[in-house]
Amino acid sequence: QVQLVQSGAEVKKPGASVKVSCKGSGYSFSSYGITWVRQAPGQGLEWMGWISGNNDHPKYAQKFQGRVTMTTDTPTSTNYLELRSLRSDDTAVYFCARAGWPGDADIWGQGTLVTVSP
Amino acid sequence: QAVVTQEPSLTVSPGGTVTLTCASSTGAVTSDHYPYWFQQKAGHAPRTLIYDTNNKQPWTPARFSGSLLGDKAALTLSGAQPEDEADYYCLLSYSGARPVFGGGTKLTVL
Repeated sequence: QVQLVQSGAEVKKPGASVKVSCKGSGYSFSSYGITWVRQAPGQGLEWMGWISGNNDHPKYAQKFQGRVTMTTDTPTSTNYLELRSLRSDDTAVYFCARAGWPGDADIWGQGTLVTVSP
Repeated sequence: QAVVTQEPSLTVSPGGTVTLTCASSTGAVTSDHYPYWFQQKAGHAPRTLIYDTNNKQPWTPARFSGSLLGDKAALTLSGAQPEDEADYYCLLSYSGARPVFGGGTKLTVL
């Protein structure tokens, strides 16, 4: 079945970087992109960006421009989200979702908790 | 960036019908916003229920339906079940801009 499996929880200090992975299986990996969404504790969903299955022209939310990089490793069917210069308000669960285009999302990963604490 | 607005909370009786709405600060929501609806239960990842206004995923229960209602996108639940208690989010796409989630609606079945 179609599945996205994300990497485990991370604890980082302010100013550090984090890299979250999202491994796809059960579908033609390069035919779909990945959307990244985050959810701060007790808050709603926030769209962060989308990258195509061809790993070209990722589209980032303006809020994260300059601090985020989304990449695709086709041989391993894995997508990555890197967020730099972490702040305490980056503490959140980060989700990946299979997405044919930026406004799409059908299958979701289980989420990765990133905690930013001194 | 546009602001997408949903009811913060709604309550429905078991077996009852409730409509959740999704409005855009830029004006009327149309099919060109490709509205999506997601269900999220506590401690779980979101689950996609509706895409492109009114299309259901294979796992979407028949009691859920999507539509445009006036100048908003709408998610209607007909015959609410206790397991439908969850947070619901809409997502709207904007030409030339990034997609935006609504703030979510907490649905209580009581």
